[in-house]
Amino acid sequence: GESVGLHLPTLSVQEGDNSIINCAYSNSASDYFIWYKQESGKGPQFIIDIRSNMDKRQGQRVTVLLNKTVKHLSLQIAATQPGDSAVYFCAENTGTASKLTFGTGTRLQVTL
Amino acid sequence: NAGVMQNPRHLVRRRGQEARLRCSPMKGHSHVYWYRQLPEEGLKFMVYLQKENIIDESGMPKERFSAEFPKEGPSILRIQQVVRGDSAAYFCASSPGGATDTQYFGPGTRLTVL
Repeated sequence: GESVGLHLPTLSVQEGDNSIINCAYSNSASDYFIWYKQESGKGPQFIIDIRSNMDKRQGQRVTVLLNKTVKHLSLQIAATQPGDSAVYFCAENTGTASKLTFGTGTRLQVTL
Repeated sequence: NAGVMQNPRHLVRRRGQEARLRCSPMKGHSHVYWYRQLPEEGLKFMVYLQKENIIDESGMPKERFSAEFPKEGPSILRIQQVVRGDSAAYFCASSPGGATDTQYFGPGTRLTVL
């Protein structure tokens, strides 16, 4: 079935290093992708999104890369900080259906 | 500039009772979505509503669950005769339009069924 999944459930990174969180999706009709950050006890917080007509998009300290050939999405966080510790979800949308399909999440742990 | 508001933040119900979860979208947003999250899992879509209309309820269980978004007031997710398996975090999101407009999430309601 259609799904969005993540390769690693937990990622441990030292403060100051760069983090890369990966996501695989299987629905080739997906044309909109979003990364959310969820801290414990809170709702998902929008980080960055990308549409299928792009392969890279940059924000403040974050970059999202989209490889449609292999149906892969990644989130890069530069100079990771303790405040970046959270669970990160990728989500996808086909554009014709407004509902988001979420992956299971990757927990990012930032060590000092 | 208030974000998406949800209340209550925590709700405890005994089996067989009813649960009502409320969501007020961001100002200017007319599209509301409800998602459910079990511990250590991703969010699962339940229902998508616009004012006075249910657009997509493909993720909603056929029995005991209903949702509305009236012309005035918040969107309501209603769960009748709750069971322990209904225990989860329920998140509401809103967007200015549908399709690929960014969805912004509220803080969630954590439902515990005893």
